[in-house]
Amino acid sequence: RKEVEQDPGPFNVPEGATVAFNCTYSNSASQSFFWYRQDCRKEPKLLMSVYSSGNEDGRFTAQLNRASQYISLLIRDSKLSDSATYLCVVLKGGNQFYFGTGTSLTVIP
Amino acid sequence: EPEVTQTPSHQVTQMGQEVILHCVPISNHLYFYWYRQILGQKVEFLVSFYNNEISEKSEIFDDQFSVERPDGSNFTLKIRSTKLEDSAMYFCASKVGGTIDTQYFGPGTRLTVL
Repeated sequence: RKEVEQDPGPFNVPEGATVAFNCTYSNSASQSFFWYRQDCRKEPKLLMSVYSSGNEDGRFTAQLNRASQYISLLIRDSKLSDSATYLCVVLKGGNQFYFGTGTSLTVIP
Repeated sequence: EPEVTQTPSHQVTQMGQEVILHCVPISNHLYFYWYRQILGQKVEFLVSFYNNEISEKSEIFDDQFSVERPDGSNFTLKIRSTKLEDSAMYFCASKVGGTIDTQYFGPGTRLTVL
């Protein structure tokens, strides 16, 4: 089983739409969780860390459900500039980070 | 804003040659990483480095790979005898450590093995 699984998409949504991405992780000992975004042929850039209580940063909301080993990202009021691949990243013990394959989002005018 | 830098941005080499990829992590960071991303695939962990030694490595990081921190700022990845399948984007990352787990990535080096 993969350490981190994401629906690869693609998600094509109109501007202003709300879109949600999901991610599951296999190891219950995982300790930290993140969403990164990656533009084509660029490096991953941190979007937000994910906390058990859930956290929000502007139009972005992340949730963590440790019991279900599930992480989500909600993007409200989508902008054209949100078009990217969204990477779910999990830190499992020590110093090893696992990446999902990413979910591709295209926001259409 | 401090950032991770990597050089070169693109490296072309012949199969069997050695390459060294260079990274300068953010100056107060203590943990350093190398990842690779084959075109169209996910980012894969190679190795983590802390306190001048490897702390974890993946199955990909076999004997042909090595890392070094030769001075107080550079962090290098050496591939001894490159294979065609080593062609990928190689990302360096660093993090402060302690209770802060957030990694920051460099722009990557695109390695092309011919």
